[in-house]
Amino acid sequence: QQQVKQSPQSLIVQKGGISIINCAYENTAFDYFPWYQQFPGKGPALLIAIRPDVSEKKEGRFTISFNKSAKQFSLHIMDSQPGDSATYFCAATYAGNNRKLIWGLGTSLAVNP
Amino acid sequence: KAGVTQTPRYLIKTRGQQVTLSCSPISGHRSVSWYQQTPGQGLQFLFEYFSETQRNKGNFPGRFSGRQFSNSRSEMNVSTLELGDSALYLCASSRGQYTGELFFGEGSRLTVL
Repeated sequence: QQQVKQSPQSLIVQKGGISIINCAYENTAFDYFPWYQQFPGKGPALLIAIRPDVSEKKEGRFTISFNKSAKQFSLHIMDSQPGDSATYFCAATYAGNNRKLIWGLGTSLAVNP
Repeated sequence: KAGVTQTPRYLIKTRGQQVTLSCSPISGHRSVSWYQQTPGQGLQFLFEYFSETQRNKGNFPGRFSGRQFSNSRSEMNVSTLELGDSALYLCASSRGQYTGELFFGEGSRLTVL
């Protein structure tokens, strides 16, 4: 099954709080898990990515946690700021015969000041 | 280094017409992918081109077509436009094919009346 299920669909967090977005996949043939951030009127931009041989990757306030056995990965935004308000997409690169990027449906994050 | 450039940024068409969208990738990038983005549907993959060859195709009707030129610039065409084709069309480039590291343009906003 080539699907990536993303939750929640929308999220409201207070400034300074932690934003958590989760993604789950079924197919073990995924080998690269990027997160993209999209602001209104802009195209998505690569935020952070992880490979399945690593359980966690941190870049500034953004952390990806990866649980290979549970087939889940999540994005944590620490000390969330109003400027983080955007739509976040998780994705996974399917490494099978027909290699391609599979996308979650996105999470709309609003950080209240 | 210039980013991915998409033209036109906005356009309005009527049902039955056709439209051609253009994408200039980042210099040195040989892969171009196209996506359709509509509210609630996330990013729907249209096709990917690498070295002028279509490497992958999404589940869209034959009215949607594309091509890539020798300078890696790409165009996509939608014929016999339908109301449901109204969307943001995003182009993304990457250095190689089948990577999850995409660089998106700001998109072409198509409205079909």
